[in-house]
Amino acid sequence: TQLLEQSPQFLSIQEGENLTVYCNSSSVFSSLQWYRQEPGEGPVLLVTVVTGGEVKKLKRLTFQFGDARKDSSLHITAAQPGDTGLYLCAGAQTDSNYQLIWGAGTKLIIKP
Amino acid sequence: DAGVTQSPTHLIKTRGQQVTLRCSPKSGHDTVSWYQQALGQGPQFIFQYYEEEERQRGNFPDRFSGHQFPNYSSELNVNALLLGDSALYLCASSLPGRTNYGYTFGSGTRLTVV
Repeated sequence: TQLLEQSPQFLSIQEGENLTVYCNSSSVFSSLQWYRQEPGEGPVLLVTVVTGGEVKKLKRLTFQFGDARKDSSLHITAAQPGDTGLYLCAGAQTDSNYQLIWGAGTKLIIKP
Repeated sequence: DAGVTQSPTHLIKTRGQQVTLRCSPKSGHDTVSWYQQALGQGPQFIFQYYEEEERQRGNFPDRFSGHQFPNYSSELNVNALLLGDSALYLCASSLPGRTNYGYTFGSGTRLTVV
C-alpha cells in the first residue's frame, strides 16, 4: 500500500514565525498536489508540482517537489492568522492511475 | 462560475438504510471523483467516473456504487448503511485529461449514521 507520511500532524505557532510541512513517501509520484481545507468545507487546491526539483511560490508559501519525486515540502514565511487551516498533500501515482494518495494532514494554527 | 455543487449538505440516516448523494461538477469539467473523509483524516478515494463509466475504484465494498449522467453530474449510492459510514463525502471534478493536475472539490455532504 502506498503511503504519504505528512508531518507534523499539528503545529501551533505565533504570527510572524516561519514553518515547514513535509510529505514523504517511498513511492514515486507523477505529481504532488497541496490543498488547504477549512472546517466543514472541501479541500481547495493550492498548487500542483510535476517536475522533480520543481519549486513554486504562492505569495508567502513555497512548495518544493523532491528531485526523485518521492517527497515534497510546504514552507510558509511570516505566518499570519489567515494561514490557519488543515494542509493536505496528495500524490498522483501515474498518468493512468487516477487515485490520489493523501497524507493525513497538518493542522496549522497561527496565533495573533 | 459555480464550482462543484453537492447536495444535501447534511444527512442523518439509520443503520441499514440506503442513501443517495448528488454532485454537479464545475463547468467545463468532465471527470468526477468521490472521496470519503473521516474526522481528522485525509480523504479516501471511493471511485472516479468518466464518460458515464466507473473508470477506477478504491478499496470500498460493493455497497458503494455510483452513476454519472450525460451532463457529467454524478450520484453516490450507499446501501445497507453502517455506523462506520459516518463521514464527510466529497465530490471532486477535473478538467478533461488533467486529472493529475488537481481537482476542484465541493463542500461535501456530512453523513451521520445512527
